[in-house]
Amino acid sequence: AQRVTQPEKLLSVFKGAPVELKCNYSYSGSPELFWYVQYSRQRLQLLLRHISRESIKGFTADLNKGETSFHLKKPFAQEEDSAMYYCALAGINDYKLSFGAGTTVTVRA
Amino acid sequence: DVKVTQSSRYLVKRTGEKVFLECVQDMDHENMFWYRQDPGLGLRLIYFSYDVKMKEKGDIPEGYSVSREKKERFSLILESASTNQTSMYLCASSSGQILSGANVLTFGAGSRLTVL
Repeated sequence: AQRVTQPEKLLSVFKGAPVELKCNYSYSGSPELFWYVQYSRQRLQLLLRHISRESIKGFTADLNKGETSFHLKKPFAQEEDSAMYYCALAGINDYKLSFGAGTTVTVRA
Repeated sequence: DVKVTQSSRYLVKRTGEKVFLECVQDMDHENMFWYRQDPGLGLRLIYFSYDVKMKEKGDIPEGYSVSREKKERFSLILESASTNQTSMYLCASSSGQILSGANVLTFGAGSRLTVL
């Protein structure tokens, strides 16, 4: 069974400080990992996916298969980063996208 | 520019009522999904459809049914609403002939249902 764990429900950081959202997963094969984001009064949308290996809005995430983690990081948080973030996992040849419980990030001025 | 439209943003229903949630996408996507979003639980898949008239159960299908008579439209039906179905319901769609969780989802704005 596949499972995604986001241990932090709430995360509060000051503007300009680094921010890291933790995501751990369990899956027997090689999964694809994603981060989705929902800003206030906006739709849930894709932030980034590990196979793209790109930085979006200053965020990066590295898949660590040894630690089964896919933490999301940004070196200098901005107020517009305040949002709900979901980590998600897709199994190979599987229709299902499994989401974590989500982390609410608040960036304070 | 709206691509996935959910017809109702807010609904208030009474226990036992039949509830219809409608979702329409204009991207010609093959796959459509219904999730419910609850604080502390994240998104849980209720049903999905990979083709017209095709449907598959997700993780929490009990108390729900779906209908997909046209490619662009996917309806979620609560046959007899209960208070534990009070939630935010999100519709999503994805492209791809192969139904894969890796296909990027495009979400609707959500329908917040309150069952009294």
